[in-house]
Amino acid sequence: NAGVTQTPKFQVLKTGQSMTLQCAQDMNHEYMSWYRQDPGMGLRLIHYSVGAGITDQGEVPNGYNVSRSTTEDFPLRLLSAAPSQTSVYFCASSYFVSNNEQFFGPGTRLTVL
Amino acid sequence: AQKVTQAQTEISVVEKEDVTLDCVYETRDTTYYLFWYKQPPSGELVFLIRRNSFDEQNEISGRYSWNFQKSTSSFNFTITASQVVDSAVYFCALSAADAGGTSYGKLTFGQGTILTVHP
Repeated sequence: NAGVTQTPKFQVLKTGQSMTLQCAQDMNHEYMSWYRQDPGMGLRLIHYSVGAGITDQGEVPNGYNVSRSTTEDFPLRLLSAAPSQTSVYFCASSYFVSNNEQFFGPGTRLTVL
Repeated sequence: AQKVTQAQTEISVVEKEDVTLDCVYETRDTTYYLFWYKQPPSGELVFLIRRNSFDEQNEISGRYSWNFQKSTSSFNFTITASQVVDSAVYFCALSAADAGGTSYGKLTFGQGTILTVHP
């Protein structure tokens, strides 16, 4: 049981480049989400998914796309990277029950030059 | 809209001191969950506690204790006899739930409190 995995751990992009941050979980969780962490701002929700084929926007969705083709995977796409997207990105997953502990991945540190 | 405020940006203590991290929240939902997470220097997020809005009992786990007061919308976290290994960023978070208690997992985080424990 690997929990929530994220790749890559580190990434440097140039402005305008695109890339996909990968997130996978092996706990059969219905709910998955992406957060970004910036200094002094805590974590903010980017996008989330309540199951395969269903996604929705969080607090800061602009500049990011997601899809959920399987229960296990929830990739985050940056279509045209901007310096404002320099951040640490966390993926999380959980069951849809009242016992709702969210499991977080180890994070991806992204720098956009 | 939900909001979580951790007014203390940074706290510095000497080992063995007790320290309390404050968390104040705002929500219109009658059912919700409150969380505390720890982020050590290694960067991962470590789950510490979850409390639902109907359970106002305080909780103690070893050197950690939590004081939930709905009347003041606060969910404070106390570390007793702090240790150097407690040095981390601590986040308080809030998640709304439906009347049946199912949370949709959309966490609203506070800004975090950086705790430094000196030997």
